[in-house]
Amino acid sequence: DIVVTQSPDSLAVSLGERATINCKSSRSVLYSSDNKNYLAWYQQKPGQPPNLLIYWASTRESGVPDRFSGSGSETDFTLTISSLQAEDVAVYYCHQYYTTPLTFGGGTKVEIK
Amino acid sequence: QVQLVQSGAEVKKPGASVKVSCKTSGYTFTRYAMHWVRQAPGQRLEWMGWINAGNENTRYSPKFQGRVTITRDTSASTDYMELSSLRSEDTAVYYCARSPLSCDNTAYCHFDHWGQGTLVTVSS
Repeated sequence: DIVVTQSPDSLAVSLGERATINCKSSRSVLYSSDNKNYLAWYQQKPGQPPNLLIYWASTRESGVPDRFSGSGSETDFTLTISSLQAEDVAVYYCHQYYTTPLTFGGGTKVEIK
Repeated sequence: QVQLVQSGAEVKKPGASVKVSCKTSGYTFTRYAMHWVRQAPGQRLEWMGWINAGNENTRYSPKFQGRVTITRDTSASTDYMELSSLRSEDTAVYYCARSPLSCDNTAYCHFDHWGQGTLVTVSS
């Protein structure tokens, strides 16, 4: 199985400041035949299901604010919230879908400082 | 709009089975694959398996192989996940999650819509 490791486990950021979450996979998730990284990011608020933010590592889902961006390739990825808003308080998960079983990171809790 | 509405919370005894439904609307059911993911208290999200849109083939996580069955009723636009031989560690919120068409009906896909979740509690 591909192990997905997120860091940090939690972070506190001031409103308007940048938040950066890292995700590392135990194997490359870059598929050579289509040159896509099979990695997504989700946001989960308490009592709600996860909500898709980013897929193919850097493609923003329709309707997601442009303060959310994804970057990285192969084994190392980053989710950046450029200017944290109060409504961004949540747990964020990365997800590899390069191979089954599909696997998720352990989550990063983002709070307001 | 796309909606995935799951069945209500369940309480089961160890050794029993549970069947969770995911009723869909707002899109052409037969064109989209569906995954099932669970989230135990304090644990990370865990993929259980997937059902193909066209031929209804399934693929399961080795962790659940032999205990999980994913099916669909096309006439009702509903997917089902049944988990058997329940134990206390299966206490979790179970989600259905749809794959977008851009993944060409493969299991290797992200999830663009999720059900609201179904809490399954296993307790004697």
